[in-house]
Amino acid sequence: DQQVKQNSPSLSVQEGRISILNCDYTNSMFDYFLWYKKYPAEGPTFLISISSIKDKNEDGRFTVFLNKSAKHLSLHIVPSQPGDSAVYFCAASSTLSYGKLTFGQGTILTVHP
Amino acid sequence: DGGITQSPKYLFRKEGQNVTLSCEQNLNHDAMYWYRQDPGQGLRLIYYSQIVNDFQKGDIAEGYSVSREKKESFPLTVTSAQKNPTAFYLCASSIGRGTQTRYSNQPQHFGDGTRLSIL
Repeated sequence: DQQVKQNSPSLSVQEGRISILNCDYTNSMFDYFLWYKKYPAEGPTFLISISSIKDKNEDGRFTVFLNKSAKHLSLHIVPSQPGDSAVYFCAASSTLSYGKLTFGQGTILTVHP
Repeated sequence: DGGITQSPKYLFRKEGQNVTLSCEQNLNHDAMYWYRQDPGQGLRLIYYSQIVNDFQKGDIAEGYSVSREKKESFPLTVTSAQKNPTAFYLCASSIGRGTQTRYSNQPQHFGDGTRLSIL
């Protein structure tokens, strides 16, 4: 039972354009959502998060949108840069589960110069 | 520099052997976590600890054991009972409850991982 899903295994974008990564979840108890970026043979790096009381959070080039009714979140990267090429994981947790994260399978983003 | 240190980066195990993966953090975080990543998959939770001398099983705890004798250390032992141990293992930490009376959400921060292979 996969509670967090990233249905696109890969995404290819031209430098300077917008990258949109999507994530769906099924557990209504999730109240905190995060995006991580990961390079091969390294640990994930925290990018941005959003609480379920908000529908948008912005940090520089990164914006996360949350649609609770659709149980969907997305990460927008504008403008995309070649250094953004990595695997992106969305994750979700619940206050009731004391911070245990449930991860999606990841989306490989490739930004072409 | 504060951070999470995992060692070794690469580890090889013979059939029937137990091996221990090290995880140390100097972030003064209360909570620590172990995840496993397999190719093409997300991270899956093995064990977690919210406070010293206490830990709980995650989603895939069978064949693994942990200890939390010190706040800064959370070693993971992969036992011979783990039938498919080859994977990338990641340790993480977060503030946890800290000095608060109730838990609040905050991000986990990860080490650079240990890749375990079977000889």
